[in-house]
Amino acid sequence: EAQVTQNPRYLITVTGKKLTVTCSQNMNHEYMSWYRQDPGLGLRQIYYSMNVEVTDKGDVPEGYKVSRKEKRNFPLILESPSPNQTSLYFCASRIGTGNSPLHFGNGTRLTVT
Amino acid sequence: DAKTTQPNSMESNEEEPVHLPCNHSTISGTDYIHWYRQLPSQGPEYVIHGLTSNVNNRMASLAIAEDRKSSTLILHRATLRDAAVYYCILRTTGNQFYFGTGTSLTVIP
Repeated sequence: EAQVTQNPRYLITVTGKKLTVTCSQNMNHEYMSWYRQDPGLGLRQIYYSMNVEVTDKGDVPEGYKVSRKEKRNFPLILESPSPNQTSLYFCASRIGTGNSPLHFGNGTRLTVT
Repeated sequence: DAKTTQPNSMESNEEEPVHLPCNHSTISGTDYIHWYRQLPSQGPEYVIHGLTSNVNNRMASLAIAEDRKSSTLILHRATLRDAAVYYCILRTTGNQFYFGTGTSLTVIP
C-alpha cells in the first residue's frame, strides 16, 4: 500500500532534549516536506526537499533541522526543543514535477514541557 | 500575512450543494490554487487544483474568478462523509505550499 509513515504518533518530551521524528514514503517520490499545524493557524511549511541532498526552508524553519540522505526518508530533527514547538506535525510527499498531489502521513503530536 | 483567507465554518444540509469560498488577493500569475480536506485525526487529502480555468473531478469542482483573486470549491451533493476542514492553498513555482486556516464544514442530516 502506498503510504507516508511517520513515527512516533505521540511524543512527550522535556525542553532541550534532542528528538527526531521520522518520515518514510514508499512511492519513490522526489519531493518531501514537513508541516506543523496549530489551532487558528492552519498548516505551515517547515522545510521541504526536492530530492536527495536538496533541502530548503519553508515558512517556519527556526528551531528545526532536516536531512535527505535517502529518497524515501526525511527526518525532522529538533536539536533543543522548546514549549513553543508543541504542535501537530505532518510529513508529506509528492512526485517532484507538475502539480501532483501531496500525500500526507497521519501526523505526530509533540508535546514539549 | 496569510496568503489565503477562508470563513472559519460553514454548514450545509445533506444532499445539497456546498460552495466554499477562498480569497487570495495577492496571488501571483504562476501560483496554482489547490484544495485539500482534512478528516478528524488524519492528514489532509487532495481534492482538486487549478490555475485559471474551472476544473471538475469526481470529488468536486473548482471555480476560479477571472482575476484569480478568489476561488470557490463546489461539492455538488454534500454527504455526511464530506464533513471535514477544507483548506485553500497556493502552490508557488518554488514548490512552497501556503495553507489557509481552513473552513470547517458541518453537514446536517
